[in-house]
Amino acid sequence: DIQMTQSPSSLSASVGDSVTISCRASQSIGDYLNWYQHTPGKAPKLLIYAASRLPAGVSPSFSGSGSETEFTLTINSLQPDDFATYYCQQSYGFPRTFGQGTKVDIK
Amino acid sequence: QLQLHESGSGLVRPSQTLSLTCAVSGGSISRGGFSWNWIRQPPGKGLESIGYIDDDGSTYYNPSLNSRVTISVDKLRNEVSLKVISVTAADTALYYCARGSYYYDTRDSRRYWYFDLWGRGTLVPVSS
Repeated sequence: DIQMTQSPSSLSASVGDSVTISCRASQSIGDYLNWYQHTPGKAPKLLIYAASRLPAGVSPSFSGSGSETEFTLTINSLQPDDFATYYCQQSYGFPRTFGQGTKVDIK
Repeated sequence: QLQLHESGSGLVRPSQTLSLTCAVSGGSISRGGFSWNWIRQPPGKGLESIGYIDDDGSTYYNPSLNSRVTISVDKLRNEVSLKVISVTAADTALYYCARGSYYYDTRDSRRYWYFDLWGRGTLVPVSS
């Protein structure tokens, strides 16, 4: 299986801050990398697909970059709804695998 | 707006069968081009993909579940189902259904799959 490793596992930030979350794949996955946001009690939400593409309706404050084994998710100007857990997921091989998550909480 | 809602058997005893249903509302499950997935999250752990069924009925299951899993679709009821046999405490988790979709890059004919819609999940404890 392709292992996905996120860092940090958690971070504290304030409204208006910008944060960056990293995701590393155990082998090259091209740009087959997705990002999700999850708030407890809610359905997880797709934020980024194909490493850098934004789905319709997702705020442009979210952006993704990277390729092969190193990827980043950047959130510009954190809003109250952005305090959540973020997961990366590879769609290069089977089984699909996720990072362990990065929890963003309020400082 | 398509919505997914998981429901299930609640508490399951060890060695018994876990059965869950994902009701799809706001659209037809028969519409082609999508896969229907189950994903789970044990308490305090990460997300694990269980498997999927696609629009021609083909299935894929995560080998980690050792052939204990069956995913099926009921097109009349607009539902996706999951069965896991011979459960143990390790199967205790929050179970999600999710729709798989893809972006088709015309430059190189590649498909980029992702989970574009999820349910809120249902907690399944396995305990005697």
